[in-house]
Amino acid sequence: KQEVTQIPAALSVPEGENLVLNCSFTDSAIYNLQWFRQDPGKGLTSLLLIQSSQREQTSGRLNASLDKSSGRSTLYIAASQPGDSATYLCAVRIPGNGNKLVFGAGTILRVKS
Amino acid sequence: SAVISQKPSRDICQRGTSLTIQCQVDSQVTMMFWYRQQPGQSLTLIATANQGSEATYESGFVIDKFPISRPNLTFSTLTVSNMSPEDSSIYLCSATPQGIGGYTFGSGTRLTVV
Repeated sequence: KQEVTQIPAALSVPEGENLVLNCSFTDSAIYNLQWFRQDPGKGLTSLLLIQSSQREQTSGRLNASLDKSSGRSTLYIAASQPGDSATYLCAVRIPGNGNKLVFGAGTILRVKS
Repeated sequence: SAVISQKPSRDICQRGTSLTIQCQVDSQVTMMFWYRQQPGQSLTLIATANQGSEATYESGFVIDKFPISRPNLTFSTLTVSNMSPEDSSIYLCSATPQGIGGYTFGSGTRLTVV
């Protein structure tokens, strides 16, 4: 059974810091991995999608890497801003099983001004 | 990627009543899903909404409590029936196109049952 773990559970940093969020999964048989952002009480916004054949994806100040063989992904946020404060979720899409997503519990990020 | 319109965005309901949540996708998608997110928790899949047939429910969720419709490829509804305070959660719909693309989520419905 696929399990997804995110570390740390919470993170508080001063504005301007570069930071790394970690995601690990137990079964390397995945179609892709997706990073989401969730603001309190809101839906999920997709940040980056990495297919299983890819190593990384970049969007603005965000960079996500994927090492499928070791079951790890990292989300790198450069020059953090207070507006980056949110919960960050990673999820893997697994073959079979109805094309479902398996989510991690999330990392709560607070960027202090 | 697809854009999903979900409504209502929030509601406060009396126990014993029902609420229907709607999701409209701006393009045809193969799969639609409904999730629940209880306070402080991650997302839990309720069911896969199948076009023109009964939804496929996850363990712990039943059709009588969470009836789902999907009359076409772009629209689905979730009803939370006979609500109790334990149903207070954020409910989210999600969709993905054919293939192994990414998932898009609606903006969520924040439900409070009093």
